Amino acid sequence: GAGVSQTPSNKVTEKGKYVELRCDPISGHTALYWYRQSLGQGPEFLIYFQGTGAADDSGLPNDRFFAVRPEGSVSTLKIQRTERGDSAVYLCASTDSTDTQYFGPGTRLTVL
Amino acid sequence: AQSVTQLDSQVPVFEEAPVELRCNYSSSVSVYLFWYVQYPNQGLQLLLKYLSGSTLVKGINGFEAEFNKSQTSFHLRKPSVHISDTAEYFCAVRPQGGSEKLVFGKGTKLTVNP
Repeated sequence: GAGVSQTPSNKVTEKGKYVELRCDPISGHTALYWYRQSLGQGPEFLIYFQGTGAADDSGLPNDRFFAVRPEGSVSTLKIQRTERGDSAVYLCASTDSTDTQYFGPGTRLTVL
Repeated sequence: AQSVTQLDSQVPVFEEAPVELRCNYSSSVSVYLFWYVQYPNQGLQLLLKYLSGSTLVKGINGFEAEFNKSQTSFHLRKPSVHISDTAEYFCAVRPQGGSEKLVFGKGTKLTVNP
């Protein structure tokens, strides 16, 4: 079946702009996660949704970052006033009943 | 809080040689353990996981790992590697109970040479 999909695959923006990154989880998966992977590093947790609500948002670095999942399926990660340090690959994952997290291909964000 | 240390940032080996990628973790609670592989320009793919039971876990592509609670380790092994195993490998842990977030190591770049 279809895996986790993320759009766009690449996003280039200018410092100070607003961006939205989209994640479509595997159908039927109730839990959804966002991670950020900087160059040469492992993924770092940002936020986790169980259904429509954020169960754990302790990884969001500051209030410029926000994520929603209004209908319990698709999620959008929103970044306001982007900074060069936000450049990274943003990964989305969803979970089945065995708690294995299945990852999408990621969105590579470049802030100029 | 949990942390994961992958002791080798890069591991070069020749084709058909055995390989071991090391992973140690720190946690005040019991954890589940995972190994993921990331091929160039692709997402993370689960290789294997330890949730409970036998401490020797077999995964895809001929990989296996052994959970050692006393040494807080979860090393990944393969007896004979192929060129196609060239990739980045990430060890991760998740606490049993509480938040379901994964905590990753920094990764080990495995390069298999002919």
